[in-house]
Parts: sequence; C-alpha cells; structure tokens
Amino acid sequence: AQSVAQPEDQVNVAEGNPLTVKCTYSVSGNPYLFWYVQYPNRGLQFLLKYITGDNLVKGSYGFEAEFNKSQTSFHLKKPSALVSDSALYFCAVTPGTYKYIFGTGTRLKVLA
Amino acid sequence: DAGVTQSPTHLIKTRGQHVTLRCSPISGHKSVSWYQQVLGQGPQFIFQYYEKEERGRGNFPDRFSARQFPNYSSELNVNALLLGDSALYLCASSASRQAFSYEQYFGPGTRLTVT
Repeated sequence: AQSVAQPEDQVNVAEGNPLTVKCTYSVSGNPYLFWYVQYPNRGLQFLLKYITGDNLVKGSYGFEAEFNKSQTSFHLKKPSALVSDSALYFCAVTPGTYKYIFGTGTRLKVLA
Repeated sequence: DAGVTQSPTHLIKTRGQHVTLRCSPISGHKSVSWYQQVLGQGPQFIFQYYEKEERGRGNFPDRFSARQFPNYSSELNVNALLLGDSALYLCASSASRQAFSYEQYFGPGTRLTVT
C-alpha cells in the first residue's frame, strides 16, 4: 500500500537552532514528494517539491528538504528556526497519478 | 491575483441533509481537487477534475459527488450527511492536468459540522 509516515506528532526547537521534520514514504515507482505548511484556520501552503534531479531541494522561507531514495525519506530542514515557523507541516507523495497522499502532519513549535 | 476561494467558510448541517460546497480556482488554473481533512489528520483526496471531467476519485462513498463548470469553478456535493462527514473541506487548484508534478494551491477551506 502507498503511504506517507510522519513519525513525530510534534517537534519542539529553540529559536535560532536548526530544525528537522521527518517524513518517510512507501510508493511503487518514482515518487513525487512535497512539503506543505498549514497555519491555524488557513489552507495548506506549498513549501517545496522533489520531482527529479538534485537530492537537496530548496524551497520557500529558507526551508530545504533532502530526498534519500535508499531510506525512502524526504526530511524537511531549516538551518535556523524562527518563532514564525511554528505551524503544522505535511509531507505528501504521489506516485505519478492524480492522487496526493498526505501524512498525518507534524506540529512544529519554535520556542523563543 | 486572488487565490483559491471557497464558500461558505463555515456550515452547520443536520444528519441526513445535503450540502454543496463551492470553489473558485486561481485564474488560469484548469485543475481542481477536493480534500477532506478531519481534525488531527492529513487531507484525504476526494476528487480531481480537469477541463470539466473527473480525472480521479478517492475512497469515498457515492454520497460524495462533484462537478466542474466551464469557468473551472467547482462544487462538491454530499448527500445524506453523517456525523463522520464533519471536517474541513479543502479545494486546491493546479496549473496542469498533471497535478502530481505541479504544486497545488489550496483555499482556506469550508468547515462543515454535522449535528
């Protein structure tokens, strides 16, 4: 079965420290991978995507993600966290069809 | 340019009733997808439409239906509402039929409460 796992319900990090939000996936074929962020009472906002090519993908607001095919992972990272980064983060994968599969989300809390 | 818009923002319905949710995509976007997001979970795919045709359907009962109009706006209809249909319903538009390789732009959602 095709799936996405976000193993941490919540990640706490101090402002200024690096952050990592984990995502692993299981799909047949080549995956297309995405990260979205959701602020309270708002829809999801696109951060970055991996389609093909360089394993390190840079996105909006200083975020980046590393695609690791052998570990089937696509972890979201940022070198220096801001309080304003506090939000709900979703990893999504599609095996090249119309259907997005979202993870259950990870709540990021950046402490001042 | 306006983003994806959805109406209404909030809705309260009684079990057994019918509901219609509306979505207007970003100008120029021909692909619209619908998702259900239950509290504490990630969005679940319901439908994708492109050029007024259904291109994909998730694992939802036939009580859920949708359509896309010539101006690319879309409606999601849910019949015979159940308590479990209470959720945030998200609409997303994309610039391409190949939504899997293009990012999607989400609206703010419609919060449906079924009592």
